[in-house]
Amino acid sequence: NAGVTQTPKFQVLKTGQSMTLQCAQDMNHEYMSWYRQDPGMGLRLIHYSVGAGITDQGEVPNGYNVSRSTTEDFPLRLLSAAPSQTSVYFCASRFTGAMNTEAFFGQGTRLTVV
Amino acid sequence: KQEVTQIPAALSVPEGENLVLNCSFTDSAIYNLQWFRQDPGKGLTSLLLIQSSQREQTSGRLNASLDKSSGRSTLYIAASQPGDSATYLCAVRPVRGANSKLTFGKGITLSVRP
Repeated sequence: NAGVTQTPKFQVLKTGQSMTLQCAQDMNHEYMSWYRQDPGMGLRLIHYSVGAGITDQGEVPNGYNVSRSTTEDFPLRLLSAAPSQTSVYFCASRFTGAMNTEAFFGQGTRLTVV
Repeated sequence: KQEVTQIPAALSVPEGENLVLNCSFTDSAIYNLQWFRQDPGKGLTSLLLIQSSQREQTSGRLNASLDKSSGRSTLYIAASQPGDSATYLCAVRPVRGANSKLTFGKGITLSVRP
């Protein structure tokens, strides 16, 4: 059972560099989302998607882009990394129906921007 | 705006103790509530999901209850073990709908002493 898979697990970037965090799920979930987790701040929603071709902003979207071309994949792009984006990033997915809306999380990507 | 509070932030208990972790939320109009476990450096693992129409859910030594009217949920852990040491987070989903978003508490870090 793969569930939600995130790559890479660790990444160090220099300020101004760009990169893409990958997220893939094999549960046919419509809803996918990206969170960042920072000490004392808890989990904050960056972007989310309710299906292929549909994305929307969460609580802290600035500095991040997303796209959803398939049901399975939901990459998160940092266009010009800043030290404030040093964090642990989690991807999550779930169904959008009336029942069975349990959310599943990936193992996280620990990003350091120097 | 929904706010989710988990107090205390940290808890240390001896092995074998039965314990209760609390979660409170400000808006009782929730669709469901989910408890997660997070081990250091790992992702979130779903423990229990309670729909708004339910009073409790059980899984092994874990029992989660929900009292919407008072804005509270508790996670009961029976006969705690050192392997239960982790951070426990609760999250509420405010409304039914494809794009309804989880609001997380900041978690309770549990340490079970042998």
